[in-house]
Amino acid sequence: GNSVTQMEGPVTLSEEAFLTINCTYTATGYPSLFWYVKYPGEGLQLLLKATKADDKGSNKGFEATYRKETTSFHLEKGSVQVSDSAVYFCALSDLGGADGLTFGKGTHLIIQP
Amino acid sequence: EAGVAQSPRYKIIEKRQSVAFWCNPISGHATLYWYQQILGQGPKLLIQFQNNGVVDDSQLPKDRFSAERLKGVDSTLKIQPAKLEDSAVYLCASSLGSWEETQYFGPGTRLLVL
Repeated sequence: GNSVTQMEGPVTLSEEAFLTINCTYTATGYPSLFWYVKYPGEGLQLLLKATKADDKGSNKGFEATYRKETTSFHLEKGSVQVSDSAVYFCALSDLGGADGLTFGKGTHLIIQP
Repeated sequence: EAGVAQSPRYKIIEKRQSVAFWCNPISGHATLYWYQQILGQGPKLLIQFQNNGVVDDSQLPKDRFSAERLKGVDSTLKIQPAKLEDSAVYLCASSLGSWEETQYFGPGTRLLVL
C-alpha cells in the first residue's frame, strides 16, 4: 500500500534560516505529491503540488521537486519568516488528488525571531 | 466563496455513547471526504463520496461508524458506540473530484471520548 514518511519535529529555526523538511514515499503506482500546511487557528490548506517526475511545485517562497528515482518530495524555503510557523504535511494521491490522500505524520515548524 | 463548514467544533462524550458530525461542502463540489486525525498523526481517509454514492469506505470501521450524504450535498458521520480510541479530529474535505482538483478542508470537529 501507499505510505509517506516525513522528518520528525518539532523543527526550530531562526528567522531568515534555510529550511528543508524531508519527505519520502512508497506507492504502488505513479502518484501525485502534495504539501499541505496547517497554520495555528486555521484549517488544513494546500501549499504546493507536483503531478509528475521532475516537476517543481512552488508557492509563497516554498519549493519541492518530485524525485522519482529517490521517491522523495522535500520541502525547501530559502529564508523563513516567523509567519511560516505551522505544521506541514506531505501527502500523495494515486489519482491526482481525486481520491483520498495518504498523509505523513506532519512536521511542526517553529520559527524564532 | 464560502469554505467547507463543519459542526460542532468540539464534542466531549462518554464511551459507549453516540455522536454525529455534520459537514457542508463548498457549493458545486461533487466529491466529499471524511478524514480522521489522531493526535500526532496525519489525517487518514475514512470515506469518500462522489455525489451521494460511496467511492471508497475501505478504512471505515463499519461496526461503529456510518456516514451518509443525502441529496449529494451535506454529509453526516456517526459513531455508535464510541470508544476511547475514537478521540481525534474529524476533518471534512470537498473537491470538484477530477484529476488535479484541490481538496479543500474544513476546520474539523475535535472529539474527546472519556
